[in-house]
Amino acid sequence: GAGVSQSPRYKVTKRGQDVTLRCDPISSHATLYWYQQALGQGPEFLTYFNYEAQPDKSGLPSDRFSAERPEGSISTLTIQRTEQRDSAMYRCASSLLAGKNNEQFFGPGTRLTVL
Amino acid sequence: AQSVTQLDSQVPVFEEAPVELRCNYSSSVSVYLFWYVQYPNQGLQLLLKYLSGSTLVKGINGFEAEFNKSQTSFHLRKPSVHISDTAEYFCAVRPNTGNQFYFGTGTSLTVIP
Repeated sequence: GAGVSQSPRYKVTKRGQDVTLRCDPISSHATLYWYQQALGQGPEFLTYFNYEAQPDKSGLPSDRFSAERPEGSISTLTIQRTEQRDSAMYRCASSLLAGKNNEQFFGPGTRLTVL
Repeated sequence: AQSVTQLDSQVPVFEEAPVELRCNYSSSVSVYLFWYVQYPNQGLQLLLKYLSGSTLVKGINGFEAEFNKSQTSFHLRKPSVHISDTAEYFCAVRPNTGNQFYFGTGTSLTVIP
């Protein structure tokens, strides 16, 4: 696609519900990143994929968070049993390859509100 | 461990005045340095990056930044701002040994007509 897209743009859910967020990266990009951005903070790394491999998921805050990229393109981030502290903007970015020249292209984000 | 500090959370400046947005970092390894801009309701966009070579880096929209290794700083500058520069600016580092980015908390630049 022309850019990174994310859906939904806004999600409101009740505490305890599961949510799944979707990221559609630029079609030629091998690497995909997920970030969590709390209000007034910078993006914080959650995890990343090289194609379908997930070399680093050290930023996932708990085992309630998981991400997939089964075919090396579209990725989903799932939060199980949501809590109010999960409320944040979730950003996805993609880059052509991993490496020092990898410019990340960011999507518009999904704003999650947990009531 | 790595961390990024943006000392100024908000910077108001008059149109056509110069601006400097400060960024300091700490890292136990060498890093690559980036500045991103976020316009309202949009994703982050890369302004400029330092990978190696000349410590003065020029980016889009007339912005530039200078890497100072001894002071572990990467301050962003523009000699004359425009209304359209009003946005949130994020400094980020990436260790040369990994693929994880670390962002600062952001500086909100408001250009006053």
